[in-house]
Amino acid sequence: KAGVTQTPRYLIKTRGQQVTLSCSPISGHRSVSWYQQTPGQGLQFLFEYFSETQRNKGNFPGRFSGRQFSNSRSEMNVSTLELGDSALYLCASSPFGQATAGELFFGEGSRLTVL
Amino acid sequence: DQQVKQNSPSLSVQEGRISILNCDYTNSMFDYFLWYKKYPAEGPTFLISISSIKDKNEDGRFTVFLNKSAKHLSLHIVPSQPGDSAVYFCAASWRVRGAGNQFYFGTGTSLTVIP
Repeated sequence: KAGVTQTPRYLIKTRGQQVTLSCSPISGHRSVSWYQQTPGQGLQFLFEYFSETQRNKGNFPGRFSGRQFSNSRSEMNVSTLELGDSALYLCASSPFGQATAGELFFGEGSRLTVL
Repeated sequence: DQQVKQNSPSLSVQEGRISILNCDYTNSMFDYFLWYKKYPAEGPTFLISISSIKDKNEDGRFTVFLNKSAKHLSLHIVPSQPGDSAVYFCAASWRVRGAGNQFYFGTGTSLTVIP
């Protein structure tokens, strides 16, 4: 069974540009979450999608957005990039719905560098 | 507001000895707790979890202890091996009506096991 796949793995952008990151969840998983990891800040929750609907949202500015497609694949977009957006962006999928607690399955991440 | 805290950024342990990683949380609504392990340039991988109705869960060399009254959990690794050297993230989740499981992560503890 293929794991969570994120593309691209590495990218470099300049301030003011925008970027789109892609995530393909494990087959059958309907929940996809996005996290930002920066040194000293741990994993900061961006948003979660379930069945094409944003179900939860973290405390990030509106420059960060996402969407989920009918096949559960998800994209996140960051507009007007700032130096502080340099980070590892992690996507995680989960098969669990409302009634069950369980773990998240993470991809390897997309390393974004903003110059 | 950091609801899950790992106050030790790093820990060094001799091979064969016990590693104890600690985590504190503030939200009494959390009902599921997890530990993830992360190697550089890889996504976090699930290690072990515990439900709030238990106080201990064991899986091979890994044991997680939960003290709900103190809002504290710990991960014990016995015996520690050099391959255990990684960053360990503590996470907690709770189910929000209509919004699935919300996860909160600590900032991580970098474990180094010295041969």
